[in-house]
Amino acid sequence: NAGVTQTPKFRILKIGQSMTLQCTQDMNHNYMYWYRQDPGMGLKLIYYSVGAGITDKGEVPNGYNVSRSTTEDFPLRLELAAPSQTSVYFCASTPRALTTDTQYFGPGTRLTVL
Amino acid sequence: AQTVTQSQPEMSVQEAETVTLSCTYDTSESDYYLFWYKQPPSRQMILVIRQEAYKQQNATENRFSVNFQKAAKSFSLKISDSQLGDAAMYFCAYRSYDTGANSKLTFGKGITLSVRP
Repeated sequence: NAGVTQTPKFRILKIGQSMTLQCTQDMNHNYMYWYRQDPGMGLKLIYYSVGAGITDKGEVPNGYNVSRSTTEDFPLRLELAAPSQTSVYFCASTPRALTTDTQYFGPGTRLTVL
Repeated sequence: AQTVTQSQPEMSVQEAETVTLSCTYDTSESDYYLFWYKQPPSRQMILVIRQEAYKQQNATENRFSVNFQKAAKSFSLKISDSQLGDAAMYFCAYRSYDTGANSKLTFGKGITLSVRP
């Protein structure tokens, strides 16, 4: 099992550019999440998905979009990058809710918008 | 909405000594889960320990244990026999006993732990 993988590990964007952060898990988990971590802060939820074809907003969804066409993949799209989106992005997955199942995190993507 | 507070931004401990990291939270729910995550310089989020709110017994994982005080809404992490590899940022996190968006983790701001050789 590779667990949760994220690509790229690092990226620098110019203001107004677009990009997609990739996230894949091979554990057949239903729940997947995107968090962002700003310097000196904890993680905040951007979007989540409870299964293929089902996504919904978290705390800080503005400027992002997601899709979930398969159980394995949960890409995060930035359409018009802004400096406020400079952050470290983590994808996570868990098999179910209502349990103590831990969320498994990917290694993160460090994004800088200049 | 739930909140998690870690009021100490940094702590330091001598190798082989014991250190306690503090965490408080606010919630109106009776069923929930609490976690401590470790984030080393590699940025990987690693689960250290978890606690179900309905369990009175404090969770223990080898050198890591918690002091869970439900009435006081306190959830501290004790690291015994500290090792150099324990140096990292530690996050306290809360999760509702619920589905959908409430299944997310709510994190504190974290505490940076350094270990002195």
